Amino acid sequence: QVQLKESGPGLVQPSRTLSLTCTVSGFSLTSYGVSWVRQPPGKGLEWIAAIWSGGSTDYNSALKSRLSISRDTSKSQVLLKMNSLQTEDTAMYFCARLGGVDDYFDYWGQGVMVTVSS
Amino acid sequence: DIQMTQTPSSMPASLGERVTISCRASQGISNYLNWYQQKPDGTIKPLIYYTSNLQSGVPSRFSGSGSGTDYSLTISSLEPEDFAMYYCQQYDSSPWTFGGGTKLELK
Repeated sequence: QVQLKESGPGLVQPSRTLSLTCTVSGFSLTSYGVSWVRQPPGKGLEWIAAIWSGGSTDYNSALKSRLSISRDTSKSQVLLKMNSLQTEDTAMYFCARLGGVDDYFDYWGQGVMVTVSS
Repeated sequence: DIQMTQTPSSMPASLGERVTISCRASQGISNYLNWYQQKPDGTIKPLIYYTSNLQSGVPSRFSGSGSGTDYSLTISSLEPEDFAMYYCQQYDSSPWTFGGGTKLELK
């Protein structure tokens, strides 16, 4: 069955770089895209970035200068890097699969909490 | 960026009640509108994609409609498991954006 699992450090210091990994199973990254979405505590959802099955990428313009999304198809992993972290980046980070023809998130991971604090 | 305004932000309702959640885009989004449900444990699942298409496995009491800038999610008869947060999301143009959410609460 389709599964996505996020992993990463729980705590990051301000100004440092965050590296998150989404490990997928039950589908191929060359057939489906994957996206990252975050949710600050008690707030709504914010789309961050996406990487499509062909390898093309897209980023939230508000965060683009700090982001990099990539993939390792041999490991079934999607990687997200965000630099110059601020306290406002404290959030639950989710990865989600992009569902085929329509760009909707048809499967979600459980999320990984990232706290930015010194 | 396209702004998505969801109303109401919270909604007390009773079991068996019919409820509608609205989502308005700051510009036309050509039906590129999805709905998601988030449970209190944080789990998120898709409900409706491309305005009115029911995701596989989602009960038929959920339905979506709309066009242009105005969209809605309707639950025809509330079940206990439906009390959760609901989000709309546009994918007409990047950056994809979500509504602020609607908390469906038991009255």
